Amino acid sequence: DADVTQTPRNRITKTGKRIMLECSQTKGHDRMYWYRQDPGLGLRLIYYSFDVKDINKGEISDGYSVSRQAQAKFSLSLESAIPNQTALYFCATSPWGSVDEQYFGPGTRLTVT
Amino acid sequence: GNSVTQMEGPVTLSEEAFLTINCTYTATGYPSLFWYVQYPGEGLQLLLKATKADDKGSNKGFEATYRKETTSFHLEKGSVQVSDSAVYFCALSDRATDSWGKLQFGAGTQVVVTP
Repeated sequence: DADVTQTPRNRITKTGKRIMLECSQTKGHDRMYWYRQDPGLGLRLIYYSFDVKDINKGEISDGYSVSRQAQAKFSLSLESAIPNQTALYFCATSPWGSVDEQYFGPGTRLTVT
Repeated sequence: GNSVTQMEGPVTLSEEAFLTINCTYTATGYPSLFWYVQYPGEGLQLLLKATKADDKGSNKGFEATYRKETTSFHLEKGSVQVSDSAVYFCALSDRATDSWGKLQFGAGTQVVVTP
C-alpha cells in the first residue's frame, strides 16, 4: 500500500462549489504539506502543518483552508471553487528528523468549470 | 527572498546521451539543495540532495554538486535511458530563515528520452 494517499484522484466540479481533498499517510511523519502544480510554475506551497496543533499558510493560501484531523490526516478545502484553481494538487509529508526530505502522494487532478 | 531557476524544457535526448539540467538559486541563508523527479502520472520523488557547499549528491547514476561560488546545482547523468523520461525539479530549503522545512521549487524541466 502507498505510504501517502490522496482522495479523490480526479475531480471535476463547478464554480462556486465547496470541495475537499483528503490526504492520509502511514509513514508516521509529523509534518504535512499541500502544494499545487501548474505548468511552467513548478509546485507552490498552499498550507503546511508541523504537528496536529500547528497550521501555517504557505505562498498561495488565499481561497483555501485546511484541517489537520490527526497526525495521519490533512485535508484541503476550497470553500468556493473558481476556474483558476484548476490544477494538480499534491500532499506531502516529512519526518521531524529530516525535514527537508518530503514524500509525495500521487496527486489529485482538480478541474473547476 | 529565495528562488530557484532551472532551464526550460522539454529536453529531448537519444538513449545513452549525456544529460545536463541547469539549476541556479538565490538564498539568504544556508540552503540545502535537492533534485526531485516526477514520472508520468506520479507524485514527486526525492532523487538526490546536498546540504552544504561542495557536497555531491548522487543516486541512480545522477549526480549534482553544490557550488556556492556559482550558486548552482546542475543535474547530470552520463548515459540516459528511456526510463529516465520524467519531469525534474530543482528545490531548496533554507535553514537560516523561516523557510526551514519548506521547499522552494523551480518550474521543472521535462526530459524526453527516445530509443
